[in-house]
Amino acid sequence: DIQMTQSPASLSASLGETVSIECLASEGISNDLAWYQQKSGKSPQLLIYAASRLQDGVPSRFSGSGSGTRYSLKISGMQPEDEADYFCQQSYKYPLTFGSGTKLEIK
Amino acid sequence: EVKLVESGGGLVQPGRSLKLSCAASGFSFNDYWMGWVRQAPGKGLEWIGEINQDSSTINYTPSLKDKFTISRDNAQNTLYLQMSKLGSEDTAIYYCARDYYDGTYYYWYFDFWGPGTMVTVSS
Repeated sequence: DIQMTQSPASLSASLGETVSIECLASEGISNDLAWYQQKSGKSPQLLIYAASRLQDGVPSRFSGSGSGTRYSLKISGMQPEDEADYFCQQSYKYPLTFGSGTKLEIK
Repeated sequence: EVKLVESGGGLVQPGRSLKLSCAASGFSFNDYWMGWVRQAPGKGLEWIGEINQDSSTINYTPSLKDKFTISRDNAQNTLYLQMSKLGSEDTAIYYCARDYYDGTYYYWYFDFWGPGTMVTVSS
């Protein structure tokens, strides 16, 4: 199985701050990576797919980048509604696997 | 509006079986791969498996392949998850989710999720 190591496990950011979350795959995944946001008590929502493509309706302050084994999610200008858990997911190979998650809070 | 609604969760004794359902609406169900993902309390997401449009291909995470069975009824727009030999480690919220399709390609990401149904395995 492909292991997805996500970091940091938690972080806090001030409003307007730019934050980054990273995922490291145990092998190359050829940009087959998605990012999800999960707010407290809710189901996950797709933010980014194919490493850098923004899902319809997702604010442009969210962006994804990376290649090979290293990928990142950036939020340019933290907003109150961005407080949530974030997960990466590889779709390069079965079984599909998720990162362990990052809890993002407002400082 | 795309809607996925899971049902069938609840309290079940260890060793017993349970079948979850996911009612889909607002899209052409028989055009999409569908999957199940679970989340233990306070934990991360775990992919269970997914099924293609005509049920000819079903993929599972290896550790659950012998316990869980995914099926679908396209006439009823419903996805199912049959779970057997349940243990405390299966206590989780179970989500059904739709695989993403951009009109040209299918991607093994999930663009719509149901609200989930809670399964608690305890005596």
